[in-house]
Amino acid sequence: GAGVSQSPSNKVTEKGKDVELRCDPISGHTALYWYRQSLGQGLEFLIYFQGNSAPDKSGLPSDRFSAERTGGSVSTLTIQRTQQEDSAVYLCASSSDRAYEQYFGPGTRLTVT
Amino acid sequence: SQKIEQNSEALNIQEGKTATLTCNYTNYSPAYLQWYRQDPGRGPVFLLLIRENEKEKRKERLKVTFDTTLKQSLFHITASQPADSATYLCAPMGGGSYIPTFGRGTSLIVHP
Repeated sequence: GAGVSQSPSNKVTEKGKDVELRCDPISGHTALYWYRQSLGQGLEFLIYFQGNSAPDKSGLPSDRFSAERTGGSVSTLTIQRTQQEDSAVYLCASSSDRAYEQYFGPGTRLTVT
Repeated sequence: SQKIEQNSEALNIQEGKTATLTCNYTNYSPAYLQWYRQDPGRGPVFLLLIRENEKEKRKERLKVTFDTTLKQSLFHITASQPADSATYLCAPMGGGSYIPTFGRGTSLIVHP
């Protein structure tokens, strides 16, 4: 079956604009994660969805960041009023119920000019 | 605060040798520890998970150890091949949590 997909693969935006990043997890996976990875840095956890439970938003760096997951499947990460420091690769991962192994998408490279 | 340390310098080895990568953690008592491989421009790929009550885990040419006293995990690739060249990420997880903390990774370069 298909793996985790993300779109767009690259996004260049001007400072102050809003952006939406999309993640399609593996079908049937109940858990979905968003991370970001800056050059030379580790993966920084942003948000975690598990089934119908309230998401764990503890990693969101500011209130400009938000995410939703519709119908327990597709997720959208929204960054409002983008700043240059938001430039990074945004990675999405999914996993099956109560499993630890995560399957990552290819990421979206965001560049804020 | 939790700290995960992996060698920032690349590890260069000759094909056929055993590569050993280190992951140290402080202010942390993980119940599980995962290792992932990441190639340039791609998302990480899961390799192995080891539990705190397991000393060692093997999968084909890969071996992971987990020493909760030393607060360290070692990741070994035996009979290394140029195709093993990648960045390897260590990701400990606390008991009851499904959110790992990723290290920055160590780059492995296997020379033919």
